[in-house]
Amino acid sequence: DIVMTQSPDSLAVSLGERATINCKSSQSVLYSSNKMNYLAWYQQKVGQPPKLLIYWASTRESGVPDRFSGSGSTTDFTLTISSLQAEDVAVYYCQQYYSYPQTFGQGTKVEIK
Amino acid sequence: EVQLVESGGGVVQPGGSLRLSCAASEFTLTIYWMNWVRQAPGKGLEWVANIKPDGSEKSYVASVKGRFTISRDNANNLLYLQMNSLRAEDTAVYYCARGSESSGYRSSDYWGQGTLVTVSS
Repeated sequence: DIVMTQSPDSLAVSLGERATINCKSSQSVLYSSNKMNYLAWYQQKVGQPPKLLIYWASTRESGVPDRFSGSGSTTDFTLTISSLQAEDVAVYYCQQYYSYPQTFGQGTKVEIK
Repeated sequence: EVQLVESGGGVVQPGGSLRLSCAASEFTLTIYWMNWVRQAPGKGLEWVANIKPDGSEKSYVASVKGRFTISRDNANNLLYLQMNSLRAEDTAVYYCARGSESSGYRSSDYWGQGTLVTVSS
């Protein structure tokens, strides 16, 4: 199984400041034939189901604010919130869908400083 | 608006069975891969199983293989998860989630609110 490891486990950021979450996979999730990274990011607020933010490592889902961006390739990925808003308080998960079983990172809790 | 509504959760004794259902509305299940994902209380997300649109391919996480069966009824827009030989470690909120067409149906773009399964004596 591909193990997804996120860092940090939690972070506190001031409103309007940048938040950066890292995700590392134990194996490459870059598919050589189409050069796509099989990596998604989700946001989960308290008491709610997850919400898809980013897929293919850097493609923003429709309706997701452009302050959210994804980057990285192969085994190292980053989710960046460029200017943290109060409504961004949540747990964020990365997920690989390169191979079965699909696996998630352990989550990163983002709070307001 | 696309909706997924899970049902069938509850309290069951170890070794017991439950069948979860997921009713889809405002879209037709026919072309979508569908997933079950669970979340133990206070823990992270764990992908459980998925199924191809025509039901011909199914995949499971190792911990449920041989105990859980995913199935679908496209005519009635329903997804199921039959859970047998339940264990305490299966206690979780179970979400059904739709495969995102934009990502080749691999990531999940719509999720239900989840149904809680508690395995306890």
